[in-house]
Order: sequence, then C-alpha cells, then structure tokens
Amino acid sequence: AQTVTQSQPEMSVQEAETVTLSCTYDTSESNYYLFWYKQPPSRQMILVIRQEAYKQQNATENRFSVNFQKAAKSFSLKISDSQLGDTAMYFCAFILSYSGAGSYQLTFGKGTKLSVIP
Amino acid sequence: DAGVTQSPTHLIKTRGQQVTLRCSPKSGHDTVSWYQQALGQGPQFIFQYYEEEERQRGNFPDRFSGHQFPNYSSELNVNALLLGDSALYLCASSFRTAQETQYFGPGTRLLVL
Repeated sequence: AQTVTQSQPEMSVQEAETVTLSCTYDTSESNYYLFWYKQPPSRQMILVIRQEAYKQQNATENRFSVNFQKAAKSFSLKISDSQLGDTAMYFCAFILSYSGAGSYQLTFGKGTKLSVIP
Repeated sequence: DAGVTQSPTHLIKTRGQQVTLRCSPKSGHDTVSWYQQALGQGPQFIFQYYEEEERQRGNFPDRFSGHQFPNYSSELNVNALLLGDSALYLCASSFRTAQETQYFGPGTRLLVL
C-alpha cells in the first residue's frame, strides 16, 4: 500500500515571499504520478501541478514548482511570489500509473494549511 | 468548458436514513471516482466507475454503493447512515486514457444527526 505524509500541518508566509511545502511518500512501485492539489475555503479541490515519476525534470506551472527527489521519495511544492489567493489547504497525492488493482485511486496526505499574510 | 458538478451542495439526514448524491463529470470525461473527506483529513477513495461498472473499490462497507449512467454521470448511495458518515463527499472525473489526472467537483457536505 502507498502512503503519503505531509509533516507540516500549518504554515504561513508573507505576501510576495516564497514558501515550500513538504511531502514524502512510500511505495515499492517505480511508475507513478504525484500531484499537489489546493483546497480553498470554498472546498473545491483544484489541481495545482503534476509530476510523472519517470521524468527527472521538475514540473513547473507559473509561480508553482516542485522539487522531485525519487530516490528520497520526496516531493515538495514551492510557491513563489505568494498571493493572498494562495491561502488554502494543500494536499499532496499519489497514484500508480499502471492498470491493475489499486491503480486508479489517489492517495492523499493529511494536508498543509497555508496562510498568506498581507 | 463545463467542470465537474455535484448536487446537492449540503444535506442533513438522520441516522438510519439513506442518501443519494449526484455528480456530472467534466465535459469529455468518461470516468467518475468518489472520495470521502472527513473534517481535517485528506480525501479517502470510495470507488471508481467506468463504462457503467464499478472498477475499483476502497475500504468502505457495502452500505456505500454507486451507479454510472450512459451519459457518464454518477450517483453515490449510502444506506443506513451512521454519525461517522458525516463528511464532504467529492466526485472526481477523468478520461480513460489519462486516468491519473482527476478533476474534482465542489463536493456535497453531508451531516448525519
């Protein structure tokens, strides 16, 4: 079974500053995807960024980038130029990339509550 | 481009009752997954429907059942409600050739009294 751990229950950052959220995961598989989802108070779970495990290059989406360390099973999210609208719960998630038992379900961490301070 | 929609947004039920939640997938998607998110926790996978059949199921009792219709929309049914079923129920849709990338709806908040 796969597990995802987010060790920072809460974080805060000043507006325009940079913040990094941590995530570690455990799996014996080699082919998988990792995601960061954002859940603001409105509850809508929004996909922020996706990383394919076979790609060594770290994914980036505008102000959001990841640091993917496959050997260490680490997948951190960096938010640059933080904005008030970035205030939300952030969830790290894992999914296997092959067809078969357990392969279609996202496994989530418990989340990190990020507050952006004006 | 219509995103994932869910109804109702909120629901209050009493123990022992039955509830049906509904989900319409994002335009072009054919696969629907359901997740339960308890307060302060990450979502937990309930099951996934593809081609009108349950393809995979998480660690949830048989009180949780579902259905997928020919237009790819889906229902989640929960029988004999327990207090512990109070949660946010999230629907996610994906396309069969990109199952890994799931897009979520706004959720249904269920309160069981």
